[in-house]
Amino acid sequence: GAVVSQHPSRVICKSGTSVKIECRSLDFQATTMFWYRQFPKQSLMLMATSNEGSKATYEQGVEKDKFLINHASLTLSTLTVTSAHPEDSSFYICSARDGQGVYGYTFGSGTRLTVV
Amino acid sequence: AQSVTQLDSQVPVFEEAPVELRCNYSSSVSVYLFWYVQYPNQGLQLLLKYLSGSTLVKGINGFEAEFNKSQTSFHLRKPSVHISDTAEYFCAVSAYSGGGADGLTFGKGTHLIIQP
Repeated sequence: GAVVSQHPSRVICKSGTSVKIECRSLDFQATTMFWYRQFPKQSLMLMATSNEGSKATYEQGVEKDKFLINHASLTLSTLTVTSAHPEDSSFYICSARDGQGVYGYTFGSGTRLTVV
Repeated sequence: AQSVTQLDSQVPVFEEAPVELRCNYSSSVSVYLFWYVQYPNQGLQLLLKYLSGSTLVKGINGFEAEFNKSQTSFHLRKPSVHISDTAEYFCAVSAYSGGGADGLTFGKGTHLIIQP
């Protein structure tokens, strides 16, 4: 079946530094990737949608200059949290729309970001 | 815009008993419906999905859900639960925009607790 690999699974960074999270579709071409954020014991909130070769579309309230998304190929999308602050600490999960088009969203295993 | 309501934040059930996790949605357009399971510090695993056709959908691990358009519900059921079913369950919807799928809108989740 469709598999999405997300790295790293955990990262701790100092306040003010930047962190890059990678999301790779291993056995299918992901024309669209989604990035979600999940606070402890809460639901997932869609941050942005990225289509391969295009600029990402950000949800209302999400700072595009802080959360940089690059989807340069059909198998790789990256989320860079720039100038991270403690309030950016969260669980970030990517999702890729698989080769079946609208019929499936495959999720990565998530990245636990802790900013100290 | 769509919204998803999961009325129960926590559902305790004894092992081998049946369970129903409730999900109601709101949307001005046609939607696809999904149920996901999340284990601690992990990504989401698809249990089942409704796209069209039969309103009774069978998924993995013995779960099933029934789409009720008039009641805008998509409740998840399992006839006999196991300890390993202890997890967080998310109901989600995606709008069918014709040209492709949007990101998912999630409910707040229901924590299923299986008691021995």
